[in-house]
Amino acid sequence: GAVVSQHPSWVICKSGTSVKIECRSLDFQATTMFWYRQFPKQSLMLMATSNEGSKATYEQGVEKDKFLINHASLTLSTLTVTSAHPEDSSFYICSARAPETQYFGPGTRLLVL
Amino acid sequence: KQEVTQIPAALSVPEGENLVLNCSFTDSAIYNLQWFRQDPGKGLTSLLLIQSSQREQTSGRLNASLDKSSGRSTLYIAASQPGDSATYLCAVRTNAGKSTFGDGTTLTVKP
Repeated sequence: GAVVSQHPSWVICKSGTSVKIECRSLDFQATTMFWYRQFPKQSLMLMATSNEGSKATYEQGVEKDKFLINHASLTLSTLTVTSAHPEDSSFYICSARAPETQYFGPGTRLLVL
Repeated sequence: KQEVTQIPAALSVPEGENLVLNCSFTDSAIYNLQWFRQDPGKGLTSLLLIQSSQREQTSGRLNASLDKSSGRSTLYIAASQPGDSATYLCAVRTNAGKSTFGDGTTLTVKP
């Protein structure tokens, strides 16, 4: 079946630095990808919808200047957490939209010290 | 705004028991509903996907039903095993492609 990969799988960074997370659809093209965030013992919350070739659509309460999304090709979307702070520590999961379903990546665990 | 609720939040059963997990949603205009399992610290594993036109899906010991009119889905697990211990999430997808997740049911199957 279709596979979505994320890189890196985990990252530790210092407060104030920026971190880029990649989401790739490996054997299909995805014009739309989604970014979710999951805090410990909580469910996934949609952060933004990433559309190839256009600006991302952010959910209410998500800072677009802090979470930069770039969907430059049909197989790659990136999420950059700018000036990361400890409260940004979370599990970030992307998904790629396919005609009948959507496929989820394995997630990226971010820890900001 | 779509809201998804899962009941119970946690469930502990002895091995071999059959069990039902519940998922309810407020907006019946859905594209599909998907059940996932998530192991601690891990990503999502898709279990069953039910399209809006379908009533149920089965895979092995798992059976998921969908009643759009009442805004409900159930996940039935037969003959539970310790390896079934995980958090089970349901996600409701709209026509626009956005998925709203429930808070999950954490299942513990005791040997």
